[in-house]
Amino acid sequence: TQLLEQSPQFLSIQEGENLTVYCNSSSVFSSLQWYRQEPGEGPVLLVTVVTGGEVKKLKRLTFQFGDARKDSSLHITAAQTGDTGLYLCAGGVTSYDKVIFGPGTSLSVIP
Amino acid sequence: EPEVTQTPSHQVTQMGQEVILRCVPISNHLYFYWYRQILGQKVEFLVSFYNNEISEKSEIFDDQFSVERPDGSNFTLKIRSTKLEDSAMYFCASRQTALGIGETQYFGPGTRLLVL
Repeated sequence: TQLLEQSPQFLSIQEGENLTVYCNSSSVFSSLQWYRQEPGEGPVLLVTVVTGGEVKKLKRLTFQFGDARKDSSLHITAAQTGDTGLYLCAGGVTSYDKVIFGPGTSLSVIP
Repeated sequence: EPEVTQTPSHQVTQMGQEVILRCVPISNHLYFYWYRQILGQKVEFLVSFYNNEISEKSEIFDDQFSVERPDGSNFTLKIRSTKLEDSAMYFCASRQTALGIGETQYFGPGTRLLVL
């Protein structure tokens, strides 16, 4: 059974600080997505990484896929209050047509 | 920009009643999914659907659940006899091509189901 873990579960930081969120598994995934979810809404895709070691940047967000495709990180530089939300990682499994979600990291950026 | 839509946004039902949740995936997408998220818990995979048949389902998706693509545009999830523990946010998602090439999965806004 593939499982994804995320750490930390909760994170509260001051505006302007940097932070990193981690997504880990003992399983290999064919792709890994990061989503952001607002309360009462569906997950919104931020990025998909496919290749081991891949790094993608989206403005102040940097995403990295581990070399072995078992883990990933999301780094936010100079956090803003608008970054507040639930960040979900999700792993794609080619042999099974589904995506496994992690439990999420709830980020709160305080002004 | 194309998007997945879901109706209704909220549904309240009595335990034991049947509910049908509706989704309109993005028009050129071929793979369709239902997920659910119980309040405060993680998003859980329910079922995937391709070429008019189920391709994968989780242990949650028991005989009380069924999916259908009745008319080439709608994708529905039916719960035959709802239980209290079916209360959750249900998300529909669609994708154009298969996993493994980093294809994006687009989620709808969700239907919040409350079983009383």
